[in-house]
Amino acid sequence: DADVTQTPRNRITKTGKRIMLECSQTKGHDRMYWYRQDPGLGLRLIYYSFDVKDINKGEISDGYSVSRQAQAKFSLSLESAIPNQTALYFCATSQPGRTSYGYTFGSGTRLTVV
Amino acid sequence: DQQVKQNSPSLSVQEGRISILNCDYTNSMFDYFLWYKKYPAEGPTFLISISSIKDKNEDGRFTVFLNKSAKHLSLHIVPSQPGDSAVYFCAASAISRGGSNYKLTFGKGTLLTVNP
Repeated sequence: DADVTQTPRNRITKTGKRIMLECSQTKGHDRMYWYRQDPGLGLRLIYYSFDVKDINKGEISDGYSVSRQAQAKFSLSLESAIPNQTALYFCATSQPGRTSYGYTFGSGTRLTVV
Repeated sequence: DQQVKQNSPSLSVQEGRISILNCDYTNSMFDYFLWYKKYPAEGPTFLISISSIKDKNEDGRFTVFLNKSAKHLSLHIVPSQPGDSAVYFCAASAISRGGSNYKLTFGKGTLLTVNP
């Protein structure tokens, strides 16, 4: 089983629909992150959480919300999906403090908004 | 304001030759740098890192060089293999004021293609 699991792997949804992307981890890490990847734009931080009660906006949080249901679970919601939210979404985890390897990423969710 | 820049969107090299991927940064508070590799349909995976107290770190075929005065780092892959074909992301972190959050800031990535 993967250390960081994202569901679904692929999703097509219609404009205006609410959609939730889920992330769960078995690493025991306190810190979790949501990124989106767009061609030519790299990885951009949407939201991050340093523990269950500490949730912070990243650089592109508009149109998104998150929920940290437990240490191991961090969900990303699009309240009303729009086509420019079509992207590859990654969840990542890390330990508090610095490690040589930084983050552990999930395999990603490819979201298409039509 | 892009703090970590990878100015080459793509790079193509022949198998067996050296691949050099470059990364520049603007934030002088960055003190730790990492490279991640990403294959299609997979998440990024850690490749190699370097602390600002060093100017070189080597791991097998992969070497990262850091030039702090120029705010520049590079990843060398020698010899390059077709399996190295992937997107490579440069990332940087710093101790933030008031805490030690160590969030990573990523570059846009460079697509490396190694031709047989």
